[in-house]
Amino acid sequence: GAGVSQSPSNKVTEKGKDVELRCDPISGHTALYWYRQSLGQGLEFLIYFQGNSAPDKSGLPSDRFSAERTGGSVSTLTIQRTQQEDSAVYLCASSLNREGSYSGNTIYFGEGSWLTVV
Amino acid sequence: GIQVEQSPPDLILQEGANSTLRCNFSDSVNNLQWFHQNPWGQLINLFYIPSGTKQNGRLSATTVATERYSLLYISSSQTTDSGVYFCAALLLGQNFVFGPGTRLSVLP
Repeated sequence: GAGVSQSPSNKVTEKGKDVELRCDPISGHTALYWYRQSLGQGLEFLIYFQGNSAPDKSGLPSDRFSAERTGGSVSTLTIQRTQQEDSAVYLCASSLNREGSYSGNTIYFGEGSWLTVV
Repeated sequence: GIQVEQSPPDLILQEGANSTLRCNFSDSVNNLQWFHQNPWGQLINLFYIPSGTKQNGRLSATTVATERYSLLYISSSQTTDSGVYFCAALLLGQNFVFGPGTRLSVLP
């Protein structure tokens, strides 16, 4: 697609329920990132996918969080047994290739999925 | 891992004023980007600038990689420039690390 697409744009869920957030990166981009941003705060790295390599999961805050990327394209971030502190906007980004220092490393963000846990 | 700092944390300007935002990073980087997050939360790429200087309209950016800092210049500021400006750095083999941001308010 023309840009990074995320869905749903807004999600209100009850504490304890599971949620799935979807990211469709820019076509051809091999790198995909998930970040989280709480209200008024900076961006917190969650997970990174690069091609067929094992994902970098070092930013996932707990084992309730998981993500997968099917066929090197669409990614799904799953939060199990949601807690109120999970409320945030979840941002997905993609880039052509993370390695190297050429302009193909520019990362582009989607509009985010706003999650509210009540 | 790499540390990224930004200053000032908050900035209030009168429309038409100029400003300079600073980003310091703790290690040599392969990628340095500036973003503008508008009041609706959308993150917009401003510059990809691991080194050197670039200009785009009223905005320009300079990165001095050897001294580990980058500057974002905003000239003749407009109310639509309001929002949060983030810099993000990438060290090869690691992930993009974002600074805490500079919150800019441009008053009419």
